[in-house]
Amino acid sequence: GAVVSQHPSWVICKSGTSVKIECRSLDFQATTMFWYRQFPKQSLMLMATSNEGSKATYEQGVEKDKFLINHASLTLSTLTVTSAHPEDSSFYICSARSSGRVGNYGYTFGSGTRLTVV
Amino acid sequence: DAKTTQPPSMDCAEGRAANLPCNHSTISGNEYVYWYRQIHSQGPQYIIHGLKNNETNEMASLIITEDRKSSTLILPHATLRDTAVYYCIVCSSNTGKLIFGQGTTLQVKP
Repeated sequence: GAVVSQHPSWVICKSGTSVKIECRSLDFQATTMFWYRQFPKQSLMLMATSNEGSKATYEQGVEKDKFLINHASLTLSTLTVTSAHPEDSSFYICSARSSGRVGNYGYTFGSGTRLTVV
Repeated sequence: DAKTTQPPSMDCAEGRAANLPCNHSTISGNEYVYWYRQIHSQGPQYIIHGLKNNETNEMASLIITEDRKSSTLILPHATLRDTAVYYCIVCSSNTGKLIFGQGTTLQVKP
């Protein structure tokens, strides 16, 4: 079945530094990728939608200059948390969808990245 | 996208069927019902999805009412490994976004 690889699985960084998270679709082409954030004991919150070759669309309240998303190829999307602060500590998860009509397939999720900012 | 309502938690005995309900009374004609589950500290796992017909795969069955205002996910023989948070999501074919609600925490007990 479809597999999405997300790296790193966990990362600790110092406050003020930037962190890049990669999301790769291994056996299919992902025309659309989604990035979520999840705080402890809460549900997943959609941050942004990215389509290959175009700018990401951010959900209301998500700072686009802080969470930089790049979807330069059909198999890779990256999320960069810039100037990270402790409140950015969270579980970040990507999801990929192949081309075609919604409803023809499920969406595949990565295994998530646990970010801790100290 | 239509919102969903699920009970916050449910228990099920191991080996018995787990029936997880979901209410989506404002669903529109082009919206699909998706079910995912999430085991602690992992990414969500796809279970099943449907539009209006009942669906079955190797993991579960999805029963959608005729008016499409509610659905039930059925795990036919629950095991301890099925303990997870189960999310029922209504997804518009226009936006293609999966918007997660609070889900149901299913505890399978021996």
